[in-house]
Amino acid sequence: DTAVSQTPKYLVTQMGNDKSIKCEQNLGHDTMYWYKQDSKKFLKIMFSYNNKELIINETVPNRFSPKSPDKAHLNLHINSLELGDSAVYFCASSPRAPGTQYFGPGTRLLVL
Amino acid sequence: AQSVTQPDIHITVSEGASLELRCNYSYGATPYLFWYVQSPGQGLQLLLKYFSGDTLVQGIKGFEAEFKRSQSSFNLRKPSVHWSDAAEYFCAVGAQRGGSYIPTFGRGTSLIVHP
Repeated sequence: DTAVSQTPKYLVTQMGNDKSIKCEQNLGHDTMYWYKQDSKKFLKIMFSYNNKELIINETVPNRFSPKSPDKAHLNLHINSLELGDSAVYFCASSPRAPGTQYFGPGTRLLVL
Repeated sequence: AQSVTQPDIHITVSEGASLELRCNYSYGATPYLFWYVQSPGQGLQLLLKYFSGDTLVQGIKGFEAEFKRSQSSFNLRKPSVHWSDAAEYFCAVGAQRGGSYIPTFGRGTSLIVHP
């Protein structure tokens, strides 16, 4: 069983399009995260949700909107995609605090 | 705010040689410290963590790390490297924020293993 899963694994799209990435965890964790990893491997947190409530929003453009329909899911919707959005996006989950983060396999987004 | 420095962008070792990856952190209180490994095309996997207690912690795959408060360091070590250890290694420091725990990652060290 996959603990943290993301779909799709690859996403190639044109500038200006809107796209969504889905994340699901079956670990029963309270907290979920979205990270962006750039081409230099730098991993930066974007959002954190705890029990469906947004607790961290790290200076991310408004074009990015996370949605947590329930504790096990945290989706990321991106409007008006830009070239600079090309990156690998990782979803993760952890027990409330402090806790190990469990990462999904990543979604490789390429904006043309 | 917490921060993490991994001074080595790349490290090259021969298979069978020992390894030490450096990590320095900045945080006002007792830190929660982690090492993660990322194999090519994969997500991050926890190697080991330090919350409290014994400052020498053992992890998976034969890795260990030592917390040195006086040096603000949490270096990762392995006595004998295997070719399969080639990967990206990330040190992270965690702090309580908004009722949860938020880690800050270093920029990573890429480990290259020569046969």
